[in-house]
Amino acid sequence: DVKVTQSSRYLVKRTGEKVFLECVQDMDHENMFWYRQDPGLGLRLIYFSYDVKMKEKGDIPEGYSVSREKKERFSLILESASTNQTSMYLCASSFPSAGGMYNEQFFGPGTRLTVL
Amino acid sequence: GESVGLHLPTLSVQEGDNSIINCAYSNSASDYFIWYKQESGKGPQFIIDIRSNMDKRQGQRVTVLLNKTVKHLSLQIAATQPGDSAVYFCAENTPMDSSYKLIFGSGTRLLVRP
Repeated sequence: DVKVTQSSRYLVKRTGEKVFLECVQDMDHENMFWYRQDPGLGLRLIYFSYDVKMKEKGDIPEGYSVSREKKERFSLILESASTNQTSMYLCASSFPSAGGMYNEQFFGPGTRLTVL
Repeated sequence: GESVGLHLPTLSVQEGDNSIINCAYSNSASDYFIWYKQESGKGPQFIIDIRSNMDKRQGQRVTVLLNKTVKHLSLQIAATQPGDSAVYFCAENTPMDSSYKLIFGSGTRLLVRP
């Protein structure tokens, strides 16, 4: 079974802190994604990566950065946490798309981040 | 902009009945669709997918129907069980610039009454 793990299930941080969210997948997937999930807004893509050291902005990259130093690990960084970044953060991975068509994305359990 | 939406944010059904969860998509060029299930405190879990060259696909107790004419997608769950209680998302694979993007709907909550 594909396994995507996230470093924390719950995290509480203070405004202005630097926050690291870690994601690891064990299926040798090339693609990795970071989403945030808020009530009524669905999943919104923050950043994604198609390969090691490669990253692309998603729909809402402001206030975030990412790091992909190894194929299995994709980190989301909040440089200076703010209260509007309180949310559920979901990591996902997938095999590369063939002919432009996406493959199924496998999700981690999520990290619920609260910024006070 | 293009988006994936759901007609019913909450659906309540009796245990044993069939459930139908609907989804409207707006991009006729979308070529692949996925249904995910998200239980409380967990990440979304793949249920079933369908390519745009199909109009129906069946899994175990679940069926996805695709109507490209009206850009409508539905998930049917047969003999709904308490364990089916969750939020269900549809997602569409849509062309965007020179690549594709997976766009998720906001979700429908399914409540199963005992």
